[in-house]
Amino acid sequence: SAVISQKPSRDICQRGTSLTIQCQVDSQVTMMFWYRQQPGQSLTLIATANQGSEATYESGFVIDKFPISRPNLTFSTLTVSNMSPEDSSIYLCSVDTVEQFFGPGTRLTVL
Amino acid sequence: GENVEQHPSTLSVQEGDSAVIKCTYSDSASNYFPWYKQELGKRPQLIIDIRSNVGEKKDQRIAVTLNKTAKHFSLHITETQPEDSAVYFCAASTGGGADGLTFGKGTHLIIQP
Repeated sequence: SAVISQKPSRDICQRGTSLTIQCQVDSQVTMMFWYRQQPGQSLTLIATANQGSEATYESGFVIDKFPISRPNLTFSTLTVSNMSPEDSSIYLCSVDTVEQFFGPGTRLTVL
Repeated sequence: GENVEQHPSTLSVQEGDSAVIKCTYSDSASNYFPWYKQELGKRPQLIIDIRSNVGEKKDQRIAVTLNKTAKHFSLHITETQPEDSAVYFCAASTGGGADGLTFGKGTHLIIQP
């Protein structure tokens, strides 16, 4: 199975600022996925990042708020822009191998 | 888009008994159905999955069944142990694992000693 790492593991940010989360995979993958898990809730897909093309966003998520980069087949970033307390969540990246595995997540708290 | 319903939201069983969690999905094109276990403060871990060309899959004490006609799938855990206590999520995808997942709301499984 793929080994996925994320940075930072957690952060506390002020409202109105932005945070960029990094996701690194130990092997080349076609698709990388970004999910959000709000406190005590299930996981919701934010967007799919395919190398060499624009990310595809799910309903309710927009590029201006969650810009994504996918510069190569092992790396992606998700930026949470102009943050508000409602953005406090765990953000997880995942990859498409035979099965979908998750990174350890980034726990974001916005004050 | 896809909608996944999961029941029950909380399930309490005696140690050694069986636990069953059920999910339904709305998109008949869905063809990949994984189950994840999430312990407090940890990432979701894939415990078993099933694809639409299979009706049942088993891995030791865990089994998953799929009824494509009825669009529902279930997780069965036999001989439950305290370490089975966690939140379990079902999910569905149309891309065989190569597309993003739609998750159910989760089931908090409590194993009573």
